[in-house]
Amino acid sequence: QQQVKQSPQSLIVQKGGISIINCAYENTAFDYFPWYQQFPGKGPALLIAIRPDVSEKKEGRFTISFNKSAKQFSLHIMDSQPGDSATYFCAAGSITQGGSEKLVFGKGTKLTVNP
Amino acid sequence: ETGVTQSPTHLIKTRGQQVTLRCSSQSGHNTVSWYQQALGQGPQFIFQYYREEENGRGNFPPRFSGLQFPNYSSELNVNALELDDSALYLCASSLYWGNEQFFGPGTRLTVL
Repeated sequence: QQQVKQSPQSLIVQKGGISIINCAYENTAFDYFPWYQQFPGKGPALLIAIRPDVSEKKEGRFTISFNKSAKQFSLHIMDSQPGDSATYFCAAGSITQGGSEKLVFGKGTKLTVNP
Repeated sequence: ETGVTQSPTHLIKTRGQQVTLRCSSQSGHNTVSWYQQALGQGPQFIFQYYREEENGRGNFPPRFSGLQFPNYSSELNVNALELDDSALYLCASSLYWGNEQFFGPGTRLTVL
């Protein structure tokens, strides 16, 4: 059972364009929603994260939009650059029995930004 | 500040063997989580350790086990390796109580 659904699977945008990746979740116990960027041969790197008490968070060119009632959240990359070409994962976190976060990841979106 | 490190980088084993993967936490972090990332998929949560005890477990069989040491470093052990265990194994460290998780570069395990 996939708890976090991510779309699209791949995305091609032109340099300077806006990249939008969407995720939907089912479990209302999730309380933490990070986005990770992964380059080939590397581990995921935390980009930006949001908690459900806010509807939007912006850090530089990256913005998370969060819709609690629809159980959806999205990543917007403004002014996309060729260096942004990577695989992006959304995730949803819930507190484990011991009190720390357990992350459930989407399947990833491969972003290609053409020069 | 030292990031999360993992060893070895790559490993090749045969079916039925056992393997041990190692992780050193980012400086100051006391919680370690392990994830399995199959090719073309997102990471899947295996388990998490805090104060040398397992603190939560995903849907993985008991042949996946771990340890955390007093310096917060950690090991992932997999017994009776199966072909489907071939994956990138990621370690992530964090502070306790729901803080951001920072991932290491991973260990690529190939089971033949």
